[in-house]
Amino acid sequence: GENVEQHPSTLSVQEGDSAVIKCTYSDSASNYFPWYKQELGKRPQLIIDIRSNVGEKKDQRIAVTLNKTAKHFSLHITETQPEDSAVYFCAANTPLVFGKGTRLSVIA
Amino acid sequence: DVKVTQSSRYLVKRTGEKVFLECVQDMDHENMFWYRQDPGLGLRLIYFSYDVKMKEKGDIPEGYSVSREKKERFSLILESASTNQTSMYLCASSFGTGSYEQYFGPGTRLTVT
Repeated sequence: GENVEQHPSTLSVQEGDSAVIKCTYSDSASNYFPWYKQELGKRPQLIIDIRSNVGEKKDQRIAVTLNKTAKHFSLHITETQPEDSAVYFCAANTPLVFGKGTRLSVIA
Repeated sequence: DVKVTQSSRYLVKRTGEKVFLECVQDMDHENMFWYRQDPGLGLRLIYFSYDVKMKEKGDIPEGYSVSREKKERFSLILESASTNQTSMYLCASSFGTGSYEQYFGPGTRLTVT
């Protein structure tokens, strides 16, 4: 079955800097790659997703890139703000297989 | 606005008890999922259902069963609760066949003593 690896497990950045979270997957048939954000004490919520026919997708300060050949995809957050502090999960396949999460801390 | 609700936010049960966790969604979604979330392990899929009366095992189904008698309701059952089932349980739903956004419930924190 699918296996998703996510790195790093924790990430601290200064406010205004960029943050990058990387994931790799094992099943070359996977074609859907969402990212979820979970704030402390709250439920995970979708922030952006990408399908295998697209290499990059952007939504304001967040972007996701996908390299199907290398089987990895990344989340990029620019101009980070304190409210970006949360745990971020990547996922792949249907039904979704999640990575173990990255705790992002944005230091004001 | 999609709403996924779970029957309890916190639950404390004793070892060996039968436990029912209920999930209800109000958006007529075909697909429903049960995950458990543990620190450092992410979200792991227990069971899922793509239709009424249908169920499929996820990655960690041992010790659990599910029931989906109505489209809007998906129940997770712990036949005989054990301490290693202490966890946060999250229900989710999504639309149709294919790959679509999953909407999560608020979670049930289950403690088995």
